[in-house]
Amino acid sequence: KQEVTQIPAALSVPEGENLVLNCSFTDSAIYNLQWFRQDPGKGLTSLLLIQSSQREQTSGRLNASLDKSSGRSTLYIAASQPGDSATYLCAVHRGDRGSTLGRLYFGRGTQLTVWP
Amino acid sequence: DGGITQSPKYLFRKEGQNVTLSCEQNLNHDAMYWYRQDPGQGLRLIYYSQIVNDFQKGDIAEGYSVSREKKESFPLTVTSAQKNPTAFYLCASRKTHEETQYFGPGTRLLVL
Repeated sequence: KQEVTQIPAALSVPEGENLVLNCSFTDSAIYNLQWFRQDPGKGLTSLLLIQSSQREQTSGRLNASLDKSSGRSTLYIAASQPGDSATYLCAVHRGDRGSTLGRLYFGRGTQLTVWP
Repeated sequence: DGGITQSPKYLFRKEGQNVTLSCEQNLNHDAMYWYRQDPGQGLRLIYYSQIVNDFQKGDIAEGYSVSREKKESFPLTVTSAQKNPTAFYLCASRKTHEETQYFGPGTRLLVL
């Protein structure tokens, strides 16, 4: 069974710092990996999706990397802002045997607070 | 305005009562999912459906039931057999051959 771990569980930093959030997974047979953002009491918003054949993806101040062989991904946030405060969830996507329906396995998330 | 809607935002359940959470999408997505989220936990898959009139159990299906009579709708019933239903419930959908799941705003279920 796929296990996804995120470190740290919580992070509090002053505005302007560059951050690294970590995600590890136990089964390297994945299709892709996604990073999501969740604001308190809200649904999830997809930030970045990295295909298993890719090494990284970038969107604005966010950069996600993937090392499938070692079962690790990092989300790098440059020049953090108070508006970045949220929980960041990592999820790996793999296909179930005999089914074309992929399913996501989630980590517990990193709760980020950026203070002014 | 396309998207996924969930209702109600908050739901209160009395002991022994069945309650139904609504999930509707107008994105023309084939696959739909129900997840449960507990404080400090990742999302856990309850049920999923690839097409109308077909659905499969996820990791924690006991005490829950679903139906998929229409492509746009995937309601989740929390039955009295679910002894610890207090959680945040998230619905998601995905277009076949695409990999991103799109999430609704969630329903918080509380037990009276």
